[in-house]
Amino acid sequence: EAGVTQSPTHLIKTRGQQVTLRCSPISGHTSVYWYQQALGLGLQFLLWYDEGEERNRGNFPPRFSGRQFPNYSSELNVNALELEDSALYLCASSFGGFTYEQYFGPGTRLTVT
Amino acid sequence: GQQVMQIPQYQHVQEGEDFTTYCNSSTTLSNIQWYKQRPGGHPVFLIQLVKSGEVKKQKRLTFQFGEAKKNSSLHITATQTTDVGTYFCAGPGANNLFFGTGTRLTVIP
Repeated sequence: EAGVTQSPTHLIKTRGQQVTLRCSPISGHTSVYWYQQALGLGLQFLLWYDEGEERNRGNFPPRFSGRQFPNYSSELNVNALELEDSALYLCASSFGGFTYEQYFGPGTRLTVT
Repeated sequence: GQQVMQIPQYQHVQEGEDFTTYCNSSTTLSNIQWYKQRPGGHPVFLIQLVKSGEVKKQKRLTFQFGEAKKNSSLHITATQTTDVGTYFCAGPGANNLFFGTGTRLTVIP
């Protein structure tokens, strides 16, 4: 069974630019979660999508947004990139809700210069 | 708001020594999940505990869920170099999975 996939693997952008990250969940999973992990730090919750709807967002500014498609894949968009947005962006999927374990993708390493 | 704390933040052990990380939640949890992230990798689900006082074992790893369902521990017996990484606990809230701050384990050969 294929795991969670993310693209691209690495990305280098300039401050002020916009970026789109993509995630495909495990087949059968309806929930997709996005996390930000700055180098050497913990996981900061960004967004939760389930059944195509945004269910919750973490303490991040509105320039972080996303969506979930009918096939449950998801995009994370970050506008007006800032240097501190440099981080590993992890996508995870699960069956609906937080009582289920989450399966993480390999992440997208974003560097903002 | 709900918080999940872990101690210690870092732990260096000689290969063969035991290791324990502790997780404490500010609120009662319906379950506790444990994840491992190898250096340069992504978090990988290890186990979920649901019942008060539950103890589960995976080879050299022993997981416990406290009686009050507010704390948990992960104990590794006779660490190996393959155990290196950061161990996170996580507890579900209403609309979020609260990850602990993690314990980074270094195993010295």
